[in-house]
Amino acid sequence: SSELTQDPAVSVALGQTVRITCQGDSLRNYFASWYQKKPGQAPILIIYGENNRPSGVPDRFSGSSSGNTASLTITGPQAEDEADYYCSSRDSGGNHLVVFGGGTKLTVL
Amino acid sequence: QVQLQESGPGLVKPSETLSLTCSVFGASLSNFTHYWSWIRQSPGKGLEWMGYIYYSGTTNYSPSLRSRVSMSLDMSKNHFSMRLTSVTAADTAVYYCARSGFLGGSIVSDYWGQGILVTVSS
Repeated sequence: SSELTQDPAVSVALGQTVRITCQGDSLRNYFASWYQKKPGQAPILIIYGENNRPSGVPDRFSGSSSGNTASLTITGPQAEDEADYYCSSRDSGGNHLVVFGGGTKLTVL
Repeated sequence: QVQLQESGPGLVKPSETLSLTCSVFGASLSNFTHYWSWIRQSPGKGLEWMGYIYYSGTTNYSPSLRSRVSMSLDMSKNHFSMRLTSVTAADTAVYYCARSGFLGGSIVSDYWGQGILVTVSS
């Protein structure tokens, strides 16, 4: 399967911890990467591989994976973390294709 | 600092061909560790991977677009391009170019252009 499934929307109180999940068969074989997308801005890579953050990404963002589910955890989210979050992975067919999840809109209350 | 910049028409007529170019600064298309990708986002929708091109000219396209999309690169100008034929209103989107590569076992895009809105309308 080449589909990645995300919850459409998640909300979290300021300072609490939130987990955004991504499910798909390809995640049994490949790590997910995660992107933050704000309106009018280009996506930003925030997590890749097992749990790696590009330079400049705050350490409150972390990633994990189990079975067919990848998770993005934001520990103590800030108001500026309100955004859409997309997971991405390689297609499970082994053809080096890329797939994106449908995105999760995070609201920070 | 790596920068990418999309350029092309903002309005395309239905059934015509959409052509965009991505100029790359601070990185070379000939770097064998990177792929050069196109991703789009239709209004109110999520990100959609369109495909990528490798420095060798090898391409990989989304199965849903394979019959209509093509990508090419120009080493002398350090830019790469994307063509999408027979466009319809459903192809109205913000189109992003990005630098991609294998990181941590995944294919990830670490640098993106700012995006260009292309509207398909007569």
